[in-house]
Amino acid sequence: ETGVTQSPTHLIKTRGQQVTLRCSSQSGHNTVSWYQQALGQGPQFIFQYYREEENGRGNFPPRFSGLQFPNYSSELNVNALELDDSALYLCASSLARTSGSVATDTQYFGPGTRLTVL
Amino acid sequence: DAKTTQPNSMESNEEEPVHLPCNHSTISGTDYIHWYRQLPSQGPEYVIHGLTSNVNNRMASLAIAEDRKSSTLILHRATLRDAAVYYCILGGSARQLTFGSGTQLTVLP
Repeated sequence: ETGVTQSPTHLIKTRGQQVTLRCSSQSGHNTVSWYQQALGQGPQFIFQYYREEENGRGNFPPRFSGLQFPNYSSELNVNALELDDSALYLCASSLARTSGSVATDTQYFGPGTRLTVL
Repeated sequence: DAKTTQPNSMESNEEEPVHLPCNHSTISGTDYIHWYRQLPSQGPEYVIHGLTSNVNNRMASLAIAEDRKSSTLILHRATLRDAAVYYCILGGSARQLTFGSGTQLTVLP
C-alpha cells in the first residue's frame, strides 16, 4: 500500500509569484485535505476535496485554490505569494463514505512541501 | 470549534509510562477526541481516537473522563522514537482537523 506522497519536497519562490504543490493520496482514498504549518505552530486547515469537489474551507483567502483529479490526487495553487506564505504545506488523504460528517475518518498525512518565499 | 488545552511540554524517561493530558471543557456530545503526533521533519500521524469509552490500540491507550471534559493519552512504555509533538483534537466531523499547539514530549534515555 502506497502512502501519501507530495512534491516537490522543497521550493523557493519570490514574492508575487505563483506556486503549485502536488499530492498523491493513499490508494483507495477519495478525500484530500490541505494544511499550512508555520514554523513552531500546529497545522492550519486550508480546504478539503471530496470526489473532486471542494468540501470545506478554512480561513484562507481566495488566492489559495485547489483541484482534485479523477484519480483523487490533488493540487494546491497559491497566487501572488506573500512572505507569510512561507510554511510547510501538508496534504492528508482519507476515505470518507459521504461528503458529510464521518467523524471517525483517519487522515493520513504526507511528509509535506517546505515553501520559502523571499 | 470546541477548544483543547494541553501542556506545552512534558518529559519522560525511556521505558516508563507517559500520561499526556488534554482538557476540553466545551466538548459537545458528538465530538470525537482524536490524538495525532508529529515526529520531527514528518507530517502528523494518527495515534488514537474515541468518543466516550476508553480505547486501546497497539500504539497507545486513551482514557476519557466520565464527563468527557478531559482525556489522557497513555503511552505504556515510552521509547526515544516517541519523542514528538502530540496533538489532542476534537472533531464532530472529519471535514477538518483543528490543531492547537500540542505537547512537545521529550523522552530521556
